[in-house]
Amino acid sequence: DTEVTQTPKHLVMGMTNKKSLKCEQHMGHRAMYWYKQKAKKPPELMFVYSYEKLSINESVPSRFSPECPNSSLLNLHLHALQPEDSALYLCASSLTPSGDNEQFFGPGTRLTVL
Amino acid sequence: RKEVEQDPGPFNVPEGATVAFNCTYSNSASQSFFWYRQDCRKEPKLLMSVYSSGNEDGRFTAQLNRASQYISLLIRDSKLSDSATYLCVVPRGGATNKLIFGTGTLLAVQP
Repeated sequence: DTEVTQTPKHLVMGMTNKKSLKCEQHMGHRAMYWYKQKAKKPPELMFVYSYEKLSINESVPSRFSPECPNSSLLNLHLHALQPEDSALYLCASSLTPSGDNEQFFGPGTRLTVL
Repeated sequence: RKEVEQDPGPFNVPEGATVAFNCTYSNSASQSFFWYRQDCRKEPKLLMSVYSSGNEDGRFTAQLNRASQYISLLIRDSKLSDSATYLCVVPRGGATNKLIFGTGTLLAVQP
């Protein structure tokens, strides 16, 4: 199994809703990432989990809350989002958090906040 | 100087053409480099990793020039299916794997 999966593919939510994005990989990778991508821009790093511990938070607002229940799973909990949070949310993983390891991306969740 | 810089394009080329993209980076200590391909509304997919002077995979060749701090991607015999955005990616280095993405180069291969 050489892929990263993400659910749901699409999500529409109101500003008062609470929802979660899910990411899974079974490649034995020990680093997992959340990125946000707006149209015609490169991905922007949000969070890094290294060996199931949060190692980087790129000053992301608290309305985004990451969780790593085990080495294969990564969640992103969403609450009280704003319309400007609408974007493609990408999960990625790499073998280790070393800078020489390639990152593999999931297909993303396209989020629309109304 | 930006950490990673690419010409945004678009590069409009006919089928069968050879096209090259350049990417410059600012961190002279960088050891690894990646080219990703991203189709419209899809995720980035790893195209090629470069750890030494270069790498070749079929029609695709990546070359690294450490002295001038740039990486190039050459695509030979372009196909319609090569139309995509090509992202140059350089790890920032240090203890964690933070990737610095270029803004991407848009390639449109015309029939």
